[in-house]
Amino acid sequence: NAGVTQTPKFRILKIGQSMTLQCTQDMNHNYMYWYRQDPGMGLKLIYYSVGAGITDKGEVPNGYNVSRSTTEDFPLRLELAAPSQTSVYFCASSYGGRLTDTQYFGPGTRLTVL
Amino acid sequence: DQQVKQNSPSLSVQEGRISILNCDYTNSMFDYFLWYKKYPAEGPTFLISISSIKDKNEDGRFTVFLNKSAKHLSLHIVPSQPGDSAVYFCAASGSTDKLIFGTGTRLQVFP
Repeated sequence: NAGVTQTPKFRILKIGQSMTLQCTQDMNHNYMYWYRQDPGMGLKLIYYSVGAGITDKGEVPNGYNVSRSTTEDFPLRLELAAPSQTSVYFCASSYGGRLTDTQYFGPGTRLTVL
Repeated sequence: DQQVKQNSPSLSVQEGRISILNCDYTNSMFDYFLWYKKYPAEGPTFLISISSIKDKNEDGRFTVFLNKSAKHLSLHIVPSQPGDSAVYFCAASGSTDKLIFGTGTRLQVFP
């Protein structure tokens, strides 16, 4: 099992550009999550999904969009990138909800918006 | 509004001694708590968890203690090893499937 994979590892964007961060898991997990981690801060939940076709907002969803067309993939879309979106982005997955399984994280994507 | 707080950004401990990492929370609805460990350039990995019906959970060298009245939990690592050097995040959840993370404590274990 590769676990949770994320691409790209690094990316520099110009203000106003858009991009999609890819996330794939091969563990047949139902739940998937996107977090961002700013320097010196904890992880903040952007969006999550409890199954294919179902997504919901987390703490900091503004400026992002997600889709979940398959169990394996959970891409995060940034439209009109802003410097405030400079961060490290982590994708995670779990089989069930909070009390039934732990979250497994990908290695992260470091994004810089200039 | 930081609902989960780790007030010590860093901690330095000698190899073989005990490491104690602390975490405080403000939301009394939290009933499930976790610790994650993170190495540089990697994603966090799950370490240990505790439900609010317990006050202690142990897994090898790692023990988590929960004091609900004080809204405080701590992670004890005994004995500490150089490989334990990492950033440790405390996380909590309430009635939803969302985790609220603390800001992390960087642990350095020196020989």
